[in-house]
Amino acid sequence: AQSVTQLDSQVPVFEEAPVELRCNYSSSVSVYLFWYVQYPNQGLQLLLKYLSGSTLVKGINGFEAEFNKSQTSFHLRKPSVHISDTAEYFCAGGLQGAQKLVFGQGTRLTINP
Amino acid sequence: DGGITQSPKYLFRKEGQNVTLSCEQNLNHDAMYWYRQDPGQGLRLIYYSQIVNDFQKGDIAEGYSVSREKKESFPLTVTSAQKNPTAFYLCASSIGGRAHNEQFFGPGTRLTVL
Repeated sequence: AQSVTQLDSQVPVFEEAPVELRCNYSSSVSVYLFWYVQYPNQGLQLLLKYLSGSTLVKGINGFEAEFNKSQTSFHLRKPSVHISDTAEYFCAGGLQGAQKLVFGQGTRLTINP
Repeated sequence: DGGITQSPKYLFRKEGQNVTLSCEQNLNHDAMYWYRQDPGQGLRLIYYSQIVNDFQKGDIAEGYSVSREKKESFPLTVTSAQKNPTAFYLCASSIGGRAHNEQFFGPGTRLTVL
């Protein structure tokens, strides 16, 4: 069965510092990968997705992620964070042909001034 | 504006009572999903529906029921058989019911069982 693992439950960083949120998946077949953001007491919003093609994916709000097949990873990065990036971030994956996604446990990003 | 609405935002119920959570979408999406969110556990799939009058169990369907009588509506009933119903419930929809289709989420309903 496919699984998605987010290695850090919480990540504190200072404002304007770079950040990387880690995500690993387990699958021997083609996968689709997503990063979603959730602000407090709200639903999820798509940041970016990898379906095929270029392994570097750019999303909204200055975020990007790199699909690394050899390391089965899809880490999310931002070169300089803002207070407004404080939120919970979810990595999700789905197998080619599947009907559903599997979500990671989430990473809470806290930005300190 | 197109989107997904969930109501109510907060819901309180006594133990042993069934409760129905509403989910409506005007995106003309075929597929709809219900997730449960608990702290530190991410999102877990309860039920999903790829088309009207059809739905499938997700990973944690026990104690829940759904219906899909209309394309735009996918209500979730939390029954008294659900042992730990207090959670944040999220509804989502996608244009097609495949993993590569982006899922759009509603604002969620926080259910507290007293």
